[in-house]
Amino acid sequence: KAGVTQTPRYLIKTRGQQVTLSCSPISGHRSVSWYQQTPGQGLQFLFEYFSETQRNKGNFPGRFSGRQFSNSRSEMNVSTLELGDSALYLCASNRIGIGSISGANVLTFGAGSRLTVL
Amino acid sequence: GDSVTQMEGPVTLSEEAFLTINCTYTATGYPSLFWYVQYPGEGLQLLLKATKADDKGSNKGFEATYRKETTSFHLEKGSVQVSDSAVYFCALSGGRFGAGTRLTVKP
Repeated sequence: KAGVTQTPRYLIKTRGQQVTLSCSPISGHRSVSWYQQTPGQGLQFLFEYFSETQRNKGNFPGRFSGRQFSNSRSEMNVSTLELGDSALYLCASNRIGIGSISGANVLTFGAGSRLTVL
Repeated sequence: GDSVTQMEGPVTLSEEAFLTINCTYTATGYPSLFWYVQYPGEGLQLLLKATKADDKGSNKGFEATYRKETTSFHLEKGSVQVSDSAVYFCALSGGRFGAGTRLTVKP
């Protein structure tokens, strides 16, 4: 079956611009979560969407937002970009939602979107 | 809140050396525990998991045992290969990840 698809894979923006990233989950997965990966901060949780509703949110400013569509595809948006937003943005899908303690709660990740802010 | 603490890297080993990457966690309840691996230029992928105390997860020669008494889930491999060079992440159910440990294996 097809994996998690993220687009675009690479992009370059300048400070003050905004960016939208897309994530298509595995068919049948209703949960999509987003992570920011940087060398200094590691992997940080942004938010999770489940059946079009935001269920969990990490500690990021309001410039970071997201949404999920009825087909479970998700987008995240970063407005007023700052240099510090340069990172690899990963999305992950799963069937039951990241809040479950079940061992079935395995995340399948996309390859990521690498954002460079100049 | 829940958290994961991983051994800081980077870790550099020679081929066939023994590997241990330490992971401890803080959590309410009884989470499932995971190790994910990220190869260069890729996203993370599941390496192994354990769902309850004393469970041992294993895959590709890697093993980790869920130790409730020490709240640990250390990753081990008896003989590493160059192809094991990657970043390894310990994680709890609930989407909480450690900072990652970069492993480089030299021939």
